[in-house]
Amino acid sequence: RKEVEQDPGPFNVPEGATVAFNCTYSNSASQSFFWYRQDCRKEPKLLMSVYSSGNEDGRFTAQLNRASQYISLLIRDSKLSDSATYLCVCPRYTGGFKTIFGAGTRLFVKA
Amino acid sequence: DAMVIQNPRYQVTQFGKPVTLSCSQTLNHNVMYWYQQKSSQAPKLLFHYYDKDFNNEADTPDNFQSRRPNTSFCFLDIRSPGLGDAAMYLCATSSDRDSPTYEQYFGPGTRLTVT
Repeated sequence: RKEVEQDPGPFNVPEGATVAFNCTYSNSASQSFFWYRQDCRKEPKLLMSVYSSGNEDGRFTAQLNRASQYISLLIRDSKLSDSATYLCVCPRYTGGFKTIFGAGTRLFVKA
Repeated sequence: DAMVIQNPRYQVTQFGKPVTLSCSQTLNHNVMYWYQQKSSQAPKLLFHYYDKDFNNEADTPDNFQSRRPNTSFCFLDIRSPGLGDAAMYLCATSSDRDSPTYEQYFGPGTRLTVT
């Protein structure tokens, strides 16, 4: 089993829709998590961090479920510009924190 | 105002011909990372420097080496590139690695093609 798993998608949604992605992790000791956004052929950029039960930033909500070991990302009122790959990150501590990325979920928002 | 700069953005090399990728940062961060990302895959950590301390990942091939001559610069050397090494190479920095809340800042990447 991979340390961080995501549904690769793609998710095809119309503008204005609400879409949610899940990410499961295997390291129960993980304390903090991140969602990064990666546009095609570009570098990942931090979207949100999740340290406790959840975090909200405008149209984006990240939630953490420690019992089931997953985090989710909810995007409300999708925009065309939200089309990207969303990478889930679970740092693992091995003498310093290392970033463990999921393979990402691709989102296409259509007009 | 680029904070993490990678050069070149695109690199074409021949099979077996050594190549060096460059990364520089203006953030004065202690930690610098090199990732390899292939199409539709997760970025894979190759190694990182914590200040001058080099930390290699166990599954990083010996073909990949790194140098960090000072805080600002870090290089990725691929001694004998194979076709399987064609990928996007991402450099990232963070101020620390001992806090779970650290954020990584990525450069734009170098896309390597091996012919």
